[in-house]
Amino acid sequence: AQKVTQAQTEISVVEKEDVTLDCVYETRDTTYYLFWYKQPPSGELVFLIRRNSFDEQNEISGRYSWNFQKSTSSFNFTITASQVVDSAVYFCALSKFKETSGSRLTFGEGTQLTVNP
Amino acid sequence: EPEVTQTPSHQVTQMGQEVILRCVPISNHLYFYWYRQILGQKVEFLVSFYNNEISEKSEIFDDQFSVERPDGSNFTLKIRSTKLEDSAMYFCASSPTGLYGYTFGSGTRLTVV
Repeated sequence: AQKVTQAQTEISVVEKEDVTLDCVYETRDTTYYLFWYKQPPSGELVFLIRRNSFDEQNEISGRYSWNFQKSTSSFNFTITASQVVDSAVYFCALSKFKETSGSRLTFGEGTQLTVNP
Repeated sequence: EPEVTQTPSHQVTQMGQEVILRCVPISNHLYFYWYRQILGQKVEFLVSFYNNEISEKSEIFDDQFSVERPDGSNFTLKIRSTKLEDSAMYFCASSPTGLYGYTFGSGTRLTVV
């Protein structure tokens, strides 16, 4: 069975601080996908990143960066110089790796990030 | 950019009533999904659908639930006799082959009173 753990239920920071959201996962599969989604107060799920398990390169996109460490089964997300608009619930998710078919996503419990001005 | 469209955005129904949630997946996608998020909780998988049949379902997806692709564009989730605990945000998603381009709709908030 697959499992995703986001131990931080809520994080509160002041604008311009850096913040890291933790994600630890469990799977018996040797290949899999990891995702991060943002859920603003309006409720929709906004895709941030998808990473496959055989690509351990870290990724940076503007103020966002992701640190994937297979050895510790972690896929952490860092926001640099946080802004009030970053306030949202952030979900980490895991999926089986299937090149030619669909698959369910298993989500973590989410981390509520509040960025205060 | 192509979108998954869900209607209505908010639906209120009385306990025991049947409700149908509607979704229009992205046109060239082949796999369709429903997820549920009870307020303040995580997003949970309900069912996936491919080639006009259910390909996978979770333990949440019991006999009260059904899915259908009645025409070439719509994908629906029916709850036969709603309970108070069915109140949640329901997300539709679709994907082409594989998981690249897995796209969620903006959700339907179902309130059972």
